[in-house]
Amino acid sequence: EIVLTQSPGTLSLSPGERATLSCRASQSVSSSYLAWYQQKPGQAPRLLIYGTSSRATGIPDRFSGSGSGTDFTLTISRLEPEDFAVYYCHHYGTSPWTFGQGTKVEIK
Amino acid sequence: QVQLHESGPGLVKPSETLSLTCTVSGGSISSYFWSWIRQSPGKGLEWIGHLYYTGNTDYNPSLRSRVTMSLDTSKTQFSLRLTSVTAADTAVYYCARDDSRFPRAATYWGQGALVTISS
Repeated sequence: EIVLTQSPGTLSLSPGERATLSCRASQSVSSSYLAWYQQKPGQAPRLLIYGTSSRATGIPDRFSGSGSGTDFTLTISRLEPEDFAVYYCHHYGTSPWTFGQGTKVEIK
Repeated sequence: QVQLHESGPGLVKPSETLSLTCTVSGGSISSYFWSWIRQSPGKGLEWIGHLYYTGNTDYNPSLRSRVTMSLDTSKTQFSLRLTSVTAADTAVYYCARDDSRFPRAATYWGQGALVTISS
């Protein structure tokens, strides 16, 4: 099983700042099958990024994904008030599919 | 617009079977990866498994002995059965589907169904 470890656990930032979230895999992950999700309280997760770097429909271009092998990054270039949430990385290539434990982006 | 809606008992007794149904509207039930994902209170996301429209299934090894997923194309429903439940199975259960533009990635989600395991 591929274990995804996200860091930091919590990121305290102000609106307008840049957020950099890390996802490290215990073994190499196919870049084609690495996604990022945003989840707000009481809501289902929303797909932001698939295939490491492709934005899903309707996702603003301030969200970008990068990485390869075992190290992946989600960057939010300038935080908007609605971006404060929990973010999960997810690999959906080899079985079993797994999620990271999440990074909470909170208002500083 | 594709919409998914989970339904089923909100309370299940320990050792019994949890059964949930995901009703799909606005899209085909055929094709696509259909997934169940759960989230324990205050915790992260756990992939339970998925079913491809051909009938092929893939389950999380930690749950494989207790899980069954099925697709009913006539009713446009996707179902989950989890047997011999314990308190550790208390969670919000989500059904999800991918999109042909983003193969496999869970794109459309239901709102989630909270299932509590308690006597």
